[in-house]
Amino acid sequence: SQELEQSPQSLIVQEGKNLTINCTSSKTLYGLYWYKQKYGEGLIFLMMLQKGGEEKSHEKITAKLDEKKQQSSLHITASQPSHAGIYLCGADERTGNQFYFGTGTSLTVIP
Amino acid sequence: NAGVTQTPKFQVLKTGQSMTLQCAQDMNHEYMSWYRQDPGMGLRLIHYSVGAGITDQGEVPNGYNVSRSTTEDFPLRLLSAAPSQTSVYFCASSRLSEQFFGPGTRLTVL
Repeated sequence: SQELEQSPQSLIVQEGKNLTINCTSSKTLYGLYWYKQKYGEGLIFLMMLQKGGEEKSHEKITAKLDEKKQQSSLHITASQPSHAGIYLCGADERTGNQFYFGTGTSLTVIP
Repeated sequence: NAGVTQTPKFQVLKTGQSMTLQCAQDMNHEYMSWYRQDPGMGLRLIHYSVGAGITDQGEVPNGYNVSRSTTEDFPLRLLSAAPSQTSVYFCASSRLSEQFFGPGTRLTVL
């Protein structure tokens, strides 16, 4: 089965600082997804990456998938309290039927 | 559209009791799935369905049953609850790639 390891497990940053969250897979990624979860709520889809070297941005959040398709990073520029929550990476198997999540990164942004 | 709805939001059970967690979606998605979320373990796939009448096991299926008689509904059944099943349960649906998640059911088994 696919294993996704996220780092760091938790992050506390001052508002306005940049930060990066990493997601490393034990296997080649066919689809890498980033989700955000506000505490006590469901997951919200952020973006999906499929091609090696692909980079996508949404507002102040940028995600990249490395060329070998085994690692992805999520970068937040000029963090705000609204960015606080748990960020999870997810991946599906080649068949697309089973989906795996990383253990999550808890982000706290101090105003 | 309501998206993905789950009921109940909270539930407390005694060991050995049975219950069904309800999940419904109104987006006509073929793929639906159930996850459990535990501290330090992320979300783990319990069961999934690629369409009405078709279900399959995920990573942690033991102790749970599912059925998919309609496209809209995908209930998760706990036949004999155990304390190890204390968790937050999420239902999700998708058509192509993006999964839409319900708000979750927080289950405590005493």
